[in-house]
Amino acid sequence: EPEVTQTPSHQVTQMGQEVILRCVPISNHLYFYWYRQILGQKVEFLVSFYNNEISEKSEIFDDQFSVERPDGSNFTLKIRSTKLEDSAMYFCASSPRDTQPQHFGDGTRLSIL
Amino acid sequence: AQTVTQSQPEMSVQEAETVTLSCTYDTSESDYYLFWYKQPPSRQMILVIRQEAYKQQNATENRFSVNFQKAAKSFSLKISDSQLGDAAMYFCAYRTQGGSEKLVFGKGTKLTVNP
Repeated sequence: EPEVTQTPSHQVTQMGQEVILRCVPISNHLYFYWYRQILGQKVEFLVSFYNNEISEKSEIFDDQFSVERPDGSNFTLKIRSTKLEDSAMYFCASSPRDTQPQHFGDGTRLSIL
Repeated sequence: AQTVTQSQPEMSVQEAETVTLSCTYDTSESDYYLFWYKQPPSRQMILVIRQEAYKQQNATENRFSVNFQKAAKSFSLKISDSQLGDAAMYFCAYRTQGGSEKLVFGKGTKLTVNP
């Protein structure tokens, strides 16, 4: 069964550095999402992306964050000038249509030192 | 804003027994979707079951079924004949129908299955 894949599984970065989290959505999916889960807290929506543009973003998704689909397969989340509070598990998800269930990747654990 | 509450941080069940995980939600909308996702230790979140709010019939998927009470805004998950592989974090999630695509999650329930 096709899967959403995320790399790396664990990323350790110094505070203030930029980090790029990568995702390969399922190939025939058109809608893409990023969520994050701070340890011990709920999974929170960050952003949704369709037709090469952001369709919705949460208040968490400020100017520090950006998303991109640089080619036909990858979907990336960039965090500029990381802060300690950015430490979390970041999940990528995709769906074939906006009304269809979202399929999640394994997540990337981001640790900011 | 919609909220999802899972009041049981942890639950345990004996293998082959039945367990019910609770979920309540708050919304002013009449049309929406509800989901249960499973996150085993391998970390990937897997869709277990989905319910459309307009459907009165409770969704079932093999050993997994839901008890959807729209008026009470309750959406519990029943796992029958529990297996060791059912051990995982279970997340209840809400999504509006039309407009926003975002999922709103509960905090999760950690299910332990005892042999």
